Amino acid sequence: DIQMTQSPSTLSASVGDRVTITCRASQSIGSWVAWYQQRPGKAPNLLIYAASSLQSGVPSRFSGSGSGTEFTLTISSLQPDDFATYYCQQYNTYWTFGQGTKVEIK
Amino acid sequence: EVQLVESGGGLVQPGGSLRLSCAASAFTFTNYWMHWVRQVPGMGLEWVSRINNDGSSTIYADSVKGRFTISRDNARNTLYLQMNSLRAEDTAVYYCVRALRGPTPADYWGQGTLVSVSS
Repeated sequence: DIQMTQSPSTLSASVGDRVTITCRASQSIGSWVAWYQQRPGKAPNLLIYAASSLQSGVPSRFSGSGSGTEFTLTISSLQPDDFATYYCQQYNTYWTFGQGTKVEIK
Repeated sequence: EVQLVESGGGLVQPGGSLRLSCAASAFTFTNYWMHWVRQVPGMGLEWVSRINNDGSSTIYADSVKGRFTISRDNARNTLYLQMNSLRAEDTAVYYCVRALRGPTPADYWGQGTLVSVSS
């Protein structure tokens, strides 16, 4: 099974900060990676697919990069709406999610 | 507007059974593979099962294999998850999720239904 190791588990940041979250796959998965945002009590929402493609309707401050085994999600300037939990996902073989990164207000 | 509405969750004793349903609307159901993903409250996401667009192919996570069965009724635009031999560790919010065919991510999630397994 492909494991996704996400870091950090918690991140404290301020509005306007640049934030980066990393995900490492246990084996090469090309660009078959997605990123989701989940707010408390809500279902996850797709932000990025194919490692770097922005889902329709998602603000351009979100971006993704990487291939193979190393992937990153970057928020260029953190906004109040962005305080949430973020998950990476591989969809190369079935689905596996990272453990999540909670972005908190500093 | 796309809608995925889960139902059927609730409290069940260990060893018991539940059947979850997911009613889909406002999109062509047969164009999508459907998945179930679960989340223990306060914890991460775990993929449970997937069914292809015509129901001829299904796969399961090892944690539920042999106990859970995914199915779909394309005439009713409804996805199901039959859960048998339930364990305390199956307690979670269960999400109905759609994805295009092949290796694709989840592009729409239902609101989830809570399953609690406890005596």
